[in-house]
Amino acid sequence: KAGVTQTPRYLIKTRGQQVTLSCSPISGHRSVSWYQQTPGQGLQFLFEYFSETQRNKGNFPGRFSGRQFSNSRSEMNVSTLELGDSALYLCASSPGQGRGTQYFGPGTRLLVL
Amino acid sequence: TQLLEQSPQFLSIQEGENLTVYCNSSSVFSSLQWYRQEPGEGPVLLVTVVTGGEVKKLKRLTFQFGDARKDSSLHITAAQPGDTGLYLCAGAESGYSTLTFGKGTMLLVSP
Repeated sequence: KAGVTQTPRYLIKTRGQQVTLSCSPISGHRSVSWYQQTPGQGLQFLFEYFSETQRNKGNFPGRFSGRQFSNSRSEMNVSTLELGDSALYLCASSPGQGRGTQYFGPGTRLLVL
Repeated sequence: TQLLEQSPQFLSIQEGENLTVYCNSSSVFSSLQWYRQEPGEGPVLLVTVVTGGEVKKLKRLTFQFGDARKDSSLHITAAQPGDTGLYLCAGAESGYSTLTFGKGTMLLVSP
């Protein structure tokens, strides 16, 4: 089975712009979670989608949003980018809501200038 | 908010040495996972422990879940340069997929 894929792998944006990141889960997995990883804060949970519905949301401002499509693929969007949004954005998939075993993609490295 | 404290933050050792990494919380988790992450890549799942007192072995790696399901440890025997990476523990709340991560232990094993 192919693993979790994320596109693009690297992205450079300027302050005020918006960005959309994409994640394709492992085939058959219906849950997709997004995380932000920074050196100072570590991995922080953004949100989780299951069957096209947001099931959980972390403590991030409304500039961060996401969605999931019927084929379980997911996108996350960040509007009005700030310098502090520079981070590695990780997507993880799991078969369904449950005990939390998740499989991560390689991440998208976002740099905001 | 459930927090996971990992220690030590950094560890630099010579090939062949043993080491232990700790993951502690004041909260109870339904399961706890250990991941290893290499630079520029996503975390890779090493093990999931779900029962208090559980011990799992993966070659030279031994994982233990505390009896009260609040803490865990990872012990590596005879470390090798290929073990270098960021080791992350993550706890899952009962019934949810949301993971709370520790900040990680950066391990460097020199030949």
